[in-house]
Amino acid sequence: SQKIEQNSEALNIQEGKTATLTCNYTNYSPAYLQWYRQDPGRGPVFLLLIRENEKEKRKERLKVTFDTTLKQSLFHITASQPADSATYLCALEGGAGANNLFFGTGTRLTVIP
Amino acid sequence: GAVVSQHPSRVICKSGTSVKIECRSLDFQATTMFWYRQFPKKSLMLMATSNEGSKATYEQGVEKDKFLINHASLTLSTLTVTSAHPEDSSFYICSLRTGPETQYFGPGTRLLVL
Repeated sequence: SQKIEQNSEALNIQEGKTATLTCNYTNYSPAYLQWYRQDPGRGPVFLLLIRENEKEKRKERLKVTFDTTLKQSLFHITASQPADSATYLCALEGGAGANNLFFGTGTRLTVIP
Repeated sequence: GAVVSQHPSRVICKSGTSVKIECRSLDFQATTMFWYRQFPKKSLMLMATSNEGSKATYEQGVEKDKFLINHASLTLSTLTVTSAHPEDSSFYICSLRTGPETQYFGPGTRLLVL
């Protein structure tokens, strides 16, 4: 069966450190993978997209890697700040030509001042 | 990016009543919108794809007669939860695509059925 698993439900780190979140998937062959941020009681906000032929993508303090052999994506936040505290979701396309996204369960990140 | 609004942001209703949730695209004409549901500490699950001017496409296990979707214009899709029950209490989120890879989400509607 298809699964999207994010390594931990919750992650606490000290301010200034790098947070690393993991997304593993099985029985998908996504052309790309996306990461979203979701704050409590709010809808997800798009952060980054990485394509299957891209190894790494960066945006300011964010870095995403995509290993289609391992079927894994890593999401890094460097120099983390308390304002980065949120739930982070990875998402995959449903398949070739599919219109919908499938989401992981999310990792709730808390950056401790 | 596209701006998506939802109304109401939260609603409390009695069991057996129907609740309508609106999803508006404020700056983009969307032929397709999506409705998701999210239970506490769970991921978003796609319920249905709303198509302007035609019938919605429902995901497996989602009752189309219970969750009525109307996409009457390029900027408005509505989800009506008919005869709501406590198990329908959830966070309902709509989204739209502005391109093949870009999806924008609304702020969500919290439904509590007593």
